[in-house]
Amino acid sequence: SAVISQKPSRDICQRGTSLTIQCQVDSQVTMMFWYRQQPGQSLTLIATANQGSEATYESGFVIDKFPISRPNLTFSTLTVSNMSPEDSSIYLCSVSNGGYNEQFFGPGTRLTVL
Amino acid sequence: KQEVTQIPAALSVPEGENLVLNCSFTDSAIYNLQWFRQDPGKGLTSLLLIQSSQREQTSGRLNASLDKSSGRSTLYIAASQPGDSATYLCAVKGSNDYKLSFGAGTTVTVRA
Repeated sequence: SAVISQKPSRDICQRGTSLTIQCQVDSQVTMMFWYRQQPGQSLTLIATANQGSEATYESGFVIDKFPISRPNLTFSTLTVSNMSPEDSSIYLCSVSNGGYNEQFFGPGTRLTVL
Repeated sequence: KQEVTQIPAALSVPEGENLVLNCSFTDSAIYNLQWFRQDPGKGLTSLLLIQSSQREQTSGRLNASLDKSSGRSTLYIAASQPGDSATYLCAVKGSNDYKLSFGAGTTVTVRA
C-alpha cells in the first residue's frame, strides 16, 4: 500500500484568504484524487488530479475555487481560495494505481475558517 | 447516480460481542467495494477490498461479504474490542468510472 503524507495537518485561516494543501506519496501512482469531508458528513469527491493536464472537477466544484496541480506522479496540491466558514472541512488526498484498484487515503488536513 | 446507505448509523456494544455493519447500494454495476475505518478527525484506513466477482474477503477478525445482485455488503467484526471503536465507511466504485461513492458511515462504540 502507498504511504501518503499531507501538509499542513491542520490550519485555522481567516475569511477571504487562501490555503494550499500538499499531498506527497512514497511511490509513483497513476490516480490522485481530492475529497472534502464536511463536519458530520461523509466524503465528497472534489476532483481527479491529472498529471500534466487540468484536473477533472465534479459537479459543484470549480477550478477558480479549488485550483489543483499535479506536476508528477507522486505529488499534488489543492488550493482552497477566497475561503469562507463554509469551507471548514477535512480535505483528504487519495491515490490508486489504476482507476479500478484499491484506493488509499492520506491523514487529511483539518481546515477551520473564521 | 449511485446511492450508498449504511445501517445502523451508530452502534454501541459490550466488548466481546460480534459486530454486523450493513451497506446497500442502488446500482449493481460496480467494479469493487471497499470498507474503511476512520478515527475521529483522521484519514481513512482501508480494511477490505472486494472485487465485483468475489463473494467475500477476510482479514483477521474482519470478514466482508458482497451480494452484487441485491446491492448489499456486510462487514462482520468478531469478538469486538474497545480499539475497534471508530466510524466504518463503505464505498463502491462504479464499473463505468473511477469514482468512489461513499455511505454516511456507521459509528461503532465498544464498551469495556
